[in-house]
Amino acid sequence: IVMTQSPATLSVSPGERASLSCRASQSVSSKLAWYQQKPGQAPSLLIYDASTRATGVPARFSGSGSGAEFTLTISSLQSEDFAIYYCQQFSTWPLTFGGGTKVEIK
Amino acid sequence: EVQLLESGGGLVQPGESLRLSCAASGFTFSSGNMHWVRQPPGKGLEWVSFIKNNAATTYYADSVKGRFTISRDNSKSTLYLQMNSLRAEDTAVYYCAKASSTSWGHMDVWGKGTTLTVSS
Repeated sequence: IVMTQSPATLSVSPGERASLSCRASQSVSSKLAWYQQKPGQAPSLLIYDASTRATGVPARFSGSGSGAEFTLTISSLQSEDFAIYYCQQFSTWPLTFGGGTKVEIK
Repeated sequence: EVQLLESGGGLVQPGESLRLSCAASGFTFSSGNMHWVRQPPGKGLEWVSFIKNNAATTYYADSVKGRFTISRDNSKSTLYLQMNSLRAEDTAVYYCAKASSTSWGHMDVWGKGTTLTVSS
C-alpha cells in the first residue's frame, strides 16, 4: 500500500491551524498512525487508529478520516510543533510510511 | 521508563554482514512485539521488519527479504537484526521500536537509533 502525504512542506505561523493530508492507495480502514520527528531525534507516536491520541499527546493534535483519506490537524501551532510528520498504515504487511510533511515556521 | 538502546552500527563494505542489537528495559520484553525501522540520510522512514513476542511470527520489507533476519533473546531482553549482503542503499539510521500493546502494527516507543554506512 502506497501512502502519499501532502503537502511536502507546510509554512505556518505560530498560533495558526495546520492540516496535513495522508492518502492510501487502497483502503486501510482506520489502521493509520501519525508520528512526529524533530531534527536529530527518533520519531514519536502521536495518533493511532486514525484518531486516538497517544499517551501524553496534547489535545491540539487531532486525527480524522477512514478508508483511504486521513488528516492530521494541529489546532494552534506551538514552537515545539515545527517538525516532520509521517503517516503509517498498519492494515496490511508490509507496513508503509508516507513520505512526510515538514511543518516549518512561516 | 521504557527504553530501547540500539548498537552495532558502523561502516562496512558492500557485500559484508553486520548484526544490530537493541537492548530493552522498563517493560516485560518477552510480552512485547518489536519492529526495526530505518531512515536513509535526509529521507523518510522505511519499515524493515517485525517479530512477535515469542518469535513465532516475523515479517520483512521486500527490500530486505532474504538478506536480513530479525530475532530476539527474551532472556537477555534484546532484539537483533542480522544483515547480510549489504548494499549501499541499506545505509540508514536503524531504529528499533516497540509495537503498541493494542496492535502489532504501530510503534509506541522508539530507540535513538544506530547508524549503518555501507560504502567501499
